[in-house]
Amino acid sequence: DQQVKQNSPSLSVQEGRISILNCDYTNSMFDYFLWYKKYPAEGPTFLISISSIKDKNEDGRFTVFLNKSAKHLSLHIVPSQPGDSAVYFCAASEVKGGSEKLVFGKGTKLTVNP
Amino acid sequence: DAGVIQSPRHEVTEMGQEVTLRCKPISGHDYLFWYRQTMMRGLELLIYFNNNVPIDDSGMPEDRFSAKMPNASFSTLKIQPSEPRDSAVYFCASSLAGQGAIDTQYFGPGTRLTVL
Repeated sequence: DQQVKQNSPSLSVQEGRISILNCDYTNSMFDYFLWYKKYPAEGPTFLISISSIKDKNEDGRFTVFLNKSAKHLSLHIVPSQPGDSAVYFCAASEVKGGSEKLVFGKGTKLTVNP
Repeated sequence: DAGVIQSPRHEVTEMGQEVTLRCKPISGHDYLFWYRQTMMRGLELLIYFNNNVPIDDSGMPEDRFSAKMPNASFSTLKIQPSEPRDSAVYFCASSLAGQGAIDTQYFGPGTRLTVL
């Protein structure tokens, strides 16, 4: 059963507009959330993260919002650029019995059209 | 730094054959992770090591899968015997404790495995 869900397999936006990628999780024990970005034929690269004690974290054009009560987070990219076209993975950390893991969603493919 | 190095980048083999995937983590990193990416299941953690010791292998799908880390600069993921359903992209990642093992995982480029 998927604990981290990205329900939109793909998203297409125009250059300069806002991209909003969504992620839902089911495990209330998750306390740290991350977004990774992946280009074809490359490994994922860390983009931005947020702790469960916060509801917003911003880094340049990228902002992550966390709604703990709804078990929902989103990544906003403003303004979107063609170079942002990639697959974005949402991930959550789970600390259980001393084991630290990252649980990933299936990813959302973002296409930014010029 | 060269980053995480994985070899081979592509592997095509026949069902029943043994497959060995290799990973060289970033020098100085003390965590090493093996992931598998498939369309059906996305990116899933198979096993991870801390200071060359396996910490959690609960994601390893079957006994056909095994992983070793004989030293700080090398790890292998072995599948024996391989099956067509093992076809996937396998990623290795490493990180350094103290910087946050969770959010500073550096991924290699992956090995695309095809089992015919």
